[in-house]
Amino acid sequence: GQQVMQIPQYQHVQEGEDFTTYCNSSTTLSNIQWYKQRPGGHPVFLIQLVKSGEVKKQKRLTFQFGEAKKNSSLHITATQTTDVGTYFCALGGTYKYIFGTGTRLKVLA
Amino acid sequence: NAGVTQTPKFQVLKTGQSMTLQCAQDMNHEYMSWYRQDPGMGLRLIHYSVGAGITDQGEVPNGYNVSRSTTEDFPLRLLSAAPSQTSVYFCASSWGLAGDYNEQFFGPGTRLTVL
Repeated sequence: GQQVMQIPQYQHVQEGEDFTTYCNSSTTLSNIQWYKQRPGGHPVFLIQLVKSGEVKKQKRLTFQFGEAKKNSSLHITATQTTDVGTYFCALGGTYKYIFGTGTRLKVLA
Repeated sequence: NAGVTQTPKFQVLKTGQSMTLQCAQDMNHEYMSWYRQDPGMGLRLIHYSVGAGITDQGEVPNGYNVSRSTTEDFPLRLLSAAPSQTSVYFCASSWGLAGDYNEQFFGPGTRLTVL
């Protein structure tokens, strides 16, 4: 099946450093979602982006949807140990979502 | 509300055995789906349903069957388990289709090992 690559696959940062993960699609998307999964847990919805060029913020998290609606990024400012986990994008088609391979974030205190 | 519940949490099967993974939601969601998660592969869609009586295949449907007789329940059946089906299985539900605003709520998962 189709796999969507996220970059990077892994990221280790010192607490307080910033973090960014990128998600790219070869096709134009109707929307994109972002999820966070803590170790041993289940994915939890963070946000959905719909409009071209859209930027949304949730406290220290900033989400962007590309102008062509083919790529997206999640940026975390001043990471904390509570940010540890794997971040997934999910590409929205008509009836189903295709999940990215995820970026695993480790935050060193 | 319990949200999305899955049973069992853990299961060990022998090759060739069959079993059903249960999924239920109490949010009156129309859309339900099953994913499997393998290390380094993200989540891959197995089957999904857009309402009671309507199901369709996802990316990796082979070896799995589903049915949707009620809005609340969406069981996943493994017909003849194989070691390649060792994985963590997540059920998810949402209000509508992928083209709409569509937060997916995930269950806690079933960790399946096939020997």
